[in-house]
Amino acid sequence: DSGVTQTPKHLITATGQRVTLRCSPRSGDLSVYWYQQSLDQGLQFLIQYYNGEERAKGNILERFSAQQFPDLHSELNLSSLELGDSALYFCASSVTGNPTGELFFGEGSRLTVL
Amino acid sequence: DAKTTQPNSMESNEEEPVHLPCNHSTISGTDYIHWYRQLPSQGPEYVIHGLTSNVNNRMASLAIAEDRKSSTLILHRATLRDAAVYYCILRRSDSWGKLQFGAGTQVVVTP
Repeated sequence: DSGVTQTPKHLITATGQRVTLRCSPRSGDLSVYWYQQSLDQGLQFLIQYYNGEERAKGNILERFSAQQFPDLHSELNLSSLELGDSALYFCASSVTGNPTGELFFGEGSRLTVL
Repeated sequence: DAKTTQPNSMESNEEEPVHLPCNHSTISGTDYIHWYRQLPSQGPEYVIHGLTSNVNNRMASLAIAEDRKSSTLILHRATLRDAAVYYCILRRSDSWGKLQFGAGTQVVVTP
């Protein structure tokens, strides 16, 4: 158990819909990362927050948005869903954004868009 | 970002050592070398990291070439639980910590 909690574990929805994925980082971790893993793209970095502020952005679509709240939990919002958005979405946390720090990953949220 | 090159897959017998190579010829002086692994149906898991010197921890050893253009992750005695995809990642010191995963190496452990 990494200490990172992601909900929901599974989600099935239809094209055009909007969903919110939630992540609770390990206690004391200030940095949260979101990743998308699909069969054809592998693990793709989406976005990183540190203590409530966006710090790095990767291949995140404009239809996707995220935020980190004062209690440090984070939410990833996916809107106007397409079939290709079906993937595993992982959240990770670390104490800081320091490049020597270890990232702890949650078990992921599996999104299926029908 | 500097890229890494890893073999697609490697096989090993249980209780034998496994040497996983990684080439990173365009590494910069401030890039850290990180290894993560992903077991089936789980999120990635940190294994080890280093900058210039060889590193050991309870999970594995990391051997870094003198010119830092390649590294090798060593699992000393493979177990069935070590069957996973292993990712070699360069992490820039100014990148605010984001990890860019490649395709990784699928390790198969045979009893």
